[in-house]
Amino acid sequence: DSGVTQTPKHLITATGQRVTLRCSPRSGDLSVYWYQQSLDQGLQFLIQYYNGEERAKGNILERFSAQQFPDLHSELNLSSLELGDSALYFCASSVDGRGSYGYTFGSGTRLTVV
Amino acid sequence: DAKTTQPNSMESNEEEPVHLPCNHSTISGTDYIHWYRQLPSQGPEYVIHGLTSNVNNRMASLAIAEDRKSSTLILHRATLRDAAVYYCILRDERSNSGYALNFGKGTSLLVTP
Repeated sequence: DSGVTQTPKHLITATGQRVTLRCSPRSGDLSVYWYQQSLDQGLQFLIQYYNGEERAKGNILERFSAQQFPDLHSELNLSSLELGDSALYFCASSVDGRGSYGYTFGSGTRLTVV
Repeated sequence: DAKTTQPNSMESNEEEPVHLPCNHSTISGTDYIHWYRQLPSQGPEYVIHGLTSNVNNRMASLAIAEDRKSSTLILHRATLRDAAVYYCILRDERSNSGYALNFGKGTSLLVTP
């Protein structure tokens, strides 16, 4: 157990639907990062939050959004889902906003869009 | 962040040392060298990181060339549990463009009994 908790572990939904993925960072970590891993794209950085504020954006689609709440957990919202959104979604956390002490990853949410 | 080049795959026998190379010829003076690995069906896991000097921890050693244009991750005795994709990543600790790790394709390590 890395200390980063992601729920649910598996999710199957239909095209056009909306889902929410949840991440609880490791205790004491203030920053959360979301990644998408598909077979053909590898691990792609989506977005970073630090202490409730958006810090950096990567290859995140406009149909996707995220936020970090006061208790530091984060949610990734995926809407108007397409078949190509099927992937593993990982959350990572770090103590500070710079990852100076490393990053801890969760075990991921496997999303299947049918 | 500067780019790294790794072999697509490597194979090792169990209980033998493994040397995983990484080239980073455009590395800057403020780039740290990070190694992460991803076991099948799991999230990436921190292995080791360093700036200039060689580094050791309980998992591995990191050997950094004097000119810093290459580095080698050393697993001293490979076990079947070390079979994973190993990522070599450069991170500029003073970057203002965000601090996320940018993963490449990594090296897929196969360990055979």
